Amino acid sequence: LAKTTQPISMDSYEGQEVNITCSHNNIATNDYITWYQQFPSQGPRFIIQGYKTKVTNEVASLFIPADRKSSTLSLPRVSLSDTAVYYCLLISGGYNKLIFGAGTRLAVHP
Amino acid sequence: GAGVSQSPSNKVTEKGKDVELRCDPISGHTALYWYRQSLGQGLEFLIYFQGNSAPDKSGLPSDRFSAERTGGSVSTLTIQRTQQEDSAVYLCASSPVDSNYEQYFGPGTRLTVT
Repeated sequence: LAKTTQPISMDSYEGQEVNITCSHNNIATNDYITWYQQFPSQGPRFIIQGYKTKVTNEVASLFIPADRKSSTLSLPRVSLSDTAVYYCLLISGGYNKLIFGAGTRLAVHP
Repeated sequence: GAGVSQSPSNKVTEKGKDVELRCDPISGHTALYWYRQSLGQGLEFLIYFQGNSAPDKSGLPSDRFSAERTGGSVSTLTIQRTQQEDSAVYLCASSPVDSNYEQYFGPGTRLTVT
């Protein structure tokens, strides 16, 4: 399985835009890039998924360059409630288990 | 609608005892997954069910761990002769068969083996 690398932790302040970059140099052709969010004492929650270019939903945007060797999760105008661990995963069609890395621990400060 | 539920939310047991953890998936979701998360660690895949069958048991750490799913719905994860290293949060997730990337997680069962 292709591996992902992301920063261990990040700090931000309320109202700022936060960009978390994930590296996946060995991404396979049929891999989709998927991000999950986990609050303390809760199970992870799906945020967004993309294959290439840009994807946007009500929560976040996902930017994927043409070579797909990295991706950036963008959280607009974060609030204290966005403090969580964010996981970048690669998922292939028909491959069902999620392989979680250590994730990025985002702390949003007042 | 109702999400994935798990019971109990917390379980404290003595080393050597058996425990059963229960998961109720979202109605209609045919795929069900068990993961565990040790303190401060990432999630570790345990087992995957499609309907009542388990095509992928590769994550079960030892033969003390087993799981079953009946009626394509409720699943039970059983840990026999618990050890202290089994202490973790056990998370269950479900997904529609055509959406394996978006899994819906329950709140987890926190297991403490003393």
